[in-house]
Amino acid sequence: AQSVTQLGSHVSVSEGALVLLRCNYSSSVPPYLFWYVQYPNQGLQLLLKYTSAATLVKGINDFEAEFKKSETSFHLTKPSAHMSDAAEYFCAVSRYNFNKFYFGSGTKLNVKP
Amino acid sequence: DAGVTQSPTHLIKTRGQQVTLRCSPKSGHDTVSWYQQALGQGPQFIFQYYEEEERQRGNFPDRFSGHQFPNYSSELNVNALLLGDSALYLCASSLGDSPEAFFGQGTRLTVV
Repeated sequence: AQSVTQLGSHVSVSEGALVLLRCNYSSSVPPYLFWYVQYPNQGLQLLLKYTSAATLVKGINDFEAEFKKSETSFHLTKPSAHMSDAAEYFCAVSRYNFNKFYFGSGTKLNVKP
Repeated sequence: DAGVTQSPTHLIKTRGQQVTLRCSPKSGHDTVSWYQQALGQGPQFIFQYYEEEERQRGNFPDRFSGHQFPNYSSELNVNALLLGDSALYLCASSLGDSPEAFFGQGTRLTVV
C-alpha cells in the first residue's frame, strides 16, 4: 500500500525566506516521488521528480527535494521565496509500471511581502 | 504542443443527471488517467486507460465510467450525479509506463 502525508496544510513565509514543505510517504516497494504545484483554478504543474537516480533532485524555479529512504521523506525546499510561489503544493508517490499517483492532501504556501 | 486539453472548463448539472467530460492527451502520449479533486483535498485516482481499455481503477463506484478512442483521447462519464460529485476533474496523460504525467487544467463540475 502507498500513501503520502504532508505535514502542515498551510505554511506562511516572508519573501526571501527559506521555503520548507514536508512530505512523508509509505510504500511497500521503492517509490517514484513527485512534487506538483497548483495555482488557483488551474491544473497541476510538475515541479520535480525522483525516479531512483540522484537522491537530491532539482526542479524548476529553484525548487529542490531530497529523497531520504531512512526517514521515508521527500521534503521540498527553496532557498528564497518569491511572491509568485504562493500556491498549493502536492506531494505524490507512484510505482514503476503503475503510473498511478497517490497524492497528499496538499500544503498551501502563503508568501508575505 | 498544446499539452493536455480538457473540455469543458466549467459545468453545472442537476442531481440525477449524467455528464461527459473530455480529454485530449499531450501529443505522443498513449495513456490517460482521470482524477477527482474535491475542494480542499488532493486528487484521487479514478481510472486509467491504455490501448482503449481500462487498465487500472481506483475506489470509485460504477457510476463512473470511461472510454478511450483510437486517437488516445478519452471521456469520463458520470451517471446519476450526486452533490458529492462536485469537484475538479483532472486528466493526466503519459507515455506507456513512464512515471511522468502531464495534467490538464481540469473541468470544474458543480452538481446542484
